[in-house]
Amino acid sequence: AQSVTQLGSHVSVSEGALVLLRCNYSSSVPPYLFWYVQYPNQGLQLLLKYTTGATLVKGINGFEAEFKKSETSFHLTKPSAHMSDAAEYFCAVSIPGGGNKLTFGTGTQLKVEL
Amino acid sequence: NAGVTQTPKFQVLKTGQSMTLQCAQDMNHNSMYWYRQDPGMGLRLIYYSASEGTTDKGEVPNGYNVSRLNKREFSLRLESAAPSQTSVYFCASTLGGQNNQPQHFGDGTRLSIL
Repeated sequence: AQSVTQLGSHVSVSEGALVLLRCNYSSSVPPYLFWYVQYPNQGLQLLLKYTTGATLVKGINGFEAEFKKSETSFHLTKPSAHMSDAAEYFCAVSIPGGGNKLTFGTGTQLKVEL
Repeated sequence: NAGVTQTPKFQVLKTGQSMTLQCAQDMNHNSMYWYRQDPGMGLRLIYYSASEGTTDKGEVPNGYNVSRLNKREFSLRLESAAPSQTSVYFCASTLGGQNNQPQHFGDGTRLSIL
């Protein structure tokens, strides 16, 4: 079975600083990886996904993530945080032939301070 | 452009009462999912429907039933609500067939059981 670990349930950064949200996965087969963002009282919105091909994936709102097979990681980064980035972020994994089912990490709450 | 619509948005029940959470999507998606979100636990899959006419258990199915009414609609039923089922419930859908398709989420139903 696959699993996802997100290190740090709460991360705080200053506006303009680098955002780094960590995600490590476990899977017996090459996985598909996703980052979702959730704003208060809303559903989840896709930020980016990795399926195959280029390991550096760019998403919406200036976010990107790099798939590193050797480290089983898919960390999310953004060069310069904005106040509007404050939200909860979820990393998720699915496996080929798995019915498109997602296994989520426990989430990281990002706080952006002035 | 509604996407995934969930009703109701909020509900308070007493222990032992029953209710059905409704979900409809207008994207002609084949696969639909029900998740629950609890603090510190991320999203956990309750049931899913890979295609019209099929349903399968997810990670936490106990205490729930589902019906895939047609291609658009997928309902979740609590037959005898328990306080442990207090949660935020999300419905999602995806095109299906290939695991690189992202899921689209509704805005959730916030359910409290007293």
